[in-house]
Amino acid sequence: EPEVTQTPSHQVTQMGQEVILRCVPISNHLYFYWYRQILGQKVEFLVSFYNNEISEKSEIFDDQFSVERPDGSNFTLKIRSTKLEDSAMYFCASRAQGLWSQPQHFGDGTRLSIL
Amino acid sequence: KNQVEQSPQSLIILEGKNCTLQCNYTVSPFSNLRWYKQDTGRGPVSLTIMTFSENTKSNGRYTATLDADTKQSSLHITASQLSDSASYICVVSLNQAGTALIFGKGTTLSVSS
Repeated sequence: EPEVTQTPSHQVTQMGQEVILRCVPISNHLYFYWYRQILGQKVEFLVSFYNNEISEKSEIFDDQFSVERPDGSNFTLKIRSTKLEDSAMYFCASRAQGLWSQPQHFGDGTRLSIL
Repeated sequence: KNQVEQSPQSLIILEGKNCTLQCNYTVSPFSNLRWYKQDTGRGPVSLTIMTFSENTKSNGRYTATLDADTKQSSLHITASQLSDSASYICVVSLNQAGTALIFGKGTTLSVSS
């Protein structure tokens, strides 16, 4: 069964540095999402992406964050000037075109640790 | 404030037994409710998606119910297996596109032999 793949599985970065989290969505999917989950807390929506542009974003997704689909397969989340509180698990998800009831398929996440 | 509350926080059951997990939500507007299963160290996997007009939806041994009047949902697991050990997350969507998802904290289920 097709899967959403995320790399790296674990990223350790010094505070203030920039990180890029990578995702390869399922090939025929057209809707893409990023979520984060701080340890012990709920999953939180960050941003959705469709037709090469952001379709919706949460309050968390401020100027520090950006997303890009640089080619036909990758979907990236860039975090600039990382802060300690950016430490979390970041999940990418994708959804097929068509009925909204198509489920979102999640990757296994990237654990980001800011030191 | 939009909130999704789940109970119990954790649950331990014996293999083969049934269990029911609860979800209460105070979300407006409401579009649909989703249940996800999240194994440790893995991403969430969709189990069911229901709109306000659907009362019950099944996926194998998983049966979700929805009462849109009382804003309650439940996930019933029949004949539990060791592989059912996971976190079960209730998620309410404010829109059809699923771009405004409110997640619960999840119920951690442990199935023992």
